[in-house]
Amino acid sequence: GQQVMQIPQYQHVQEGEDFTTYCNSSTTLSNIQWYKQRPGGHPVFLIQLVKSGEVKKQKRLTFQFGEAKKNSSLHITATQTTDVGTYFCAGGSQGNLIFGKGTKLSVKP
Amino acid sequence: KAGVTQTPRYLIKTRGQQVTLSCSPISGHRSVSWYQQTPGQGLQFLFEYFSETQRNKGNFPGRFSGRQFSNSRSEMNVSTLELGDSALYLCASSPGQGTPDGYGYTFGSGTRLTVV
Repeated sequence: GQQVMQIPQYQHVQEGEDFTTYCNSSTTLSNIQWYKQRPGGHPVFLIQLVKSGEVKKQKRLTFQFGEAKKNSSLHITATQTTDVGTYFCAGGSQGNLIFGKGTKLSVKP
Repeated sequence: KAGVTQTPRYLIKTRGQQVTLSCSPISGHRSVSWYQQTPGQGLQFLFEYFSETQRNKGNFPGRFSGRQFSNSRSEMNVSTLELGDSALYLCASSPGQGTPDGYGYTFGSGTRLTVV
């Protein structure tokens, strides 16, 4: 069945360093979404990418959707302690939204 | 406007019992999806309901079932509980089927189920 793989599983960074998480699908996606889950919280929608090669920015966050619509990345520039949490990608295909297992980001002040 | 409401927040059940969880989506949202979240498996899709009809179903045994009412509120039921069913159950609502027009899912705070 369709799978969405996300790496790395964990990332520990020093405050101010950059962070990137990668998402790969076994099939072509119609869209990719990104969510953030703070410790003890629930996933919160960040953004959706639909077009091949699309790049979107939200302040220090940059989201990319691959040309083949099978991979995506989230890059955070100059991490802050408020960026702590687990970042999930979710691939949309045939009406389903399949989540990756997430990348847990910890930031050392 | 009010967010997605899930009740109860916490639940402890014994193996073999059954449980019903409730989800009230955002007013006007007609689609409700359910996910099981565990540390090892992440977010796993259970099912999606749209206008009282189950549109999609994940790879869970028949012990997991759900339904949606005419007011879009949804319930999921797990029968004959097993220890492995202990998890955070999250409900997500969206305006239409799937996630149309750039709308992501809005998740509730979840129901944490512990089976002992």
